[in-house]
Amino acid sequence: AQSVTQPDARVTVSEGASLQLRCKYSYFGTPYLFWYVQYPRQGLQLLLKYYPGDPVVQGVNGFEAEFSKSNSSFHLRKASVHWSDWAVYFCAVSMGGADRLTFGKGTQLIIQP
Amino acid sequence: DPKIIQKPKYLVAVTGSEKILICEQYLGHNAMYWYRQSAKKPLEFMFSYSYQKLMDNQTASSRFQPQSSKKNHLDLQITALKPDDSATYFCASSQEGANERLFFGHGTKLSVL
Repeated sequence: AQSVTQPDARVTVSEGASLQLRCKYSYFGTPYLFWYVQYPRQGLQLLLKYYPGDPVVQGVNGFEAEFSKSNSSFHLRKASVHWSDWAVYFCAVSMGGADRLTFGKGTQLIIQP
Repeated sequence: DPKIIQKPKYLVAVTGSEKILICEQYLGHNAMYWYRQSAKKPLEFMFSYSYQKLMDNQTASSRFQPQSSKKNHLDLQITALKPDDSATYFCASSQEGANERLFFGHGTKLSVL
């Protein structure tokens, strides 16, 4: 069965610093991968999605993620974080088509002034 | 304005009672979903509907029954409530399958005493 691991429950970075949130997946075949963000007291919103093709995917608000088949990873990056990025970030995997999304446990991002 | 409306935002119930969680989407989407987010587990897929037909069910208990009276409605009836049912329940929708962008509601936080 497919699964997603986000090894860091919480990540703290200074405003303006770079960011990487880690995501490892377990899946047979070529997965479809997603990053969703949950701002305080809101539902989840899609940041970016990977379909088989270019391994680096650009998302909204300066986020990008890189797919690595050899490492079974789909890490999320941002060059310079802003206080408004304070949120919980979820990585998710799917087989494609109408298959359901399987989510990781999420990583809480905390921004220090 | 929220395009996916979930009612109520907060719900307190006693063990053994029955509650209905309401979800309406005004995005014109054909597919709707229920997910559950509890303190102990990652965001879990529960049900998916497409054109008011059940497509996928990953909820073992028959105490959870989705109800779709209209194309843009997918309510969730929960009977014989247990404390372990305490969680935030998110409704979501997408144009077609789960690998299109999912739009989430703000959630209903259910506490079972």
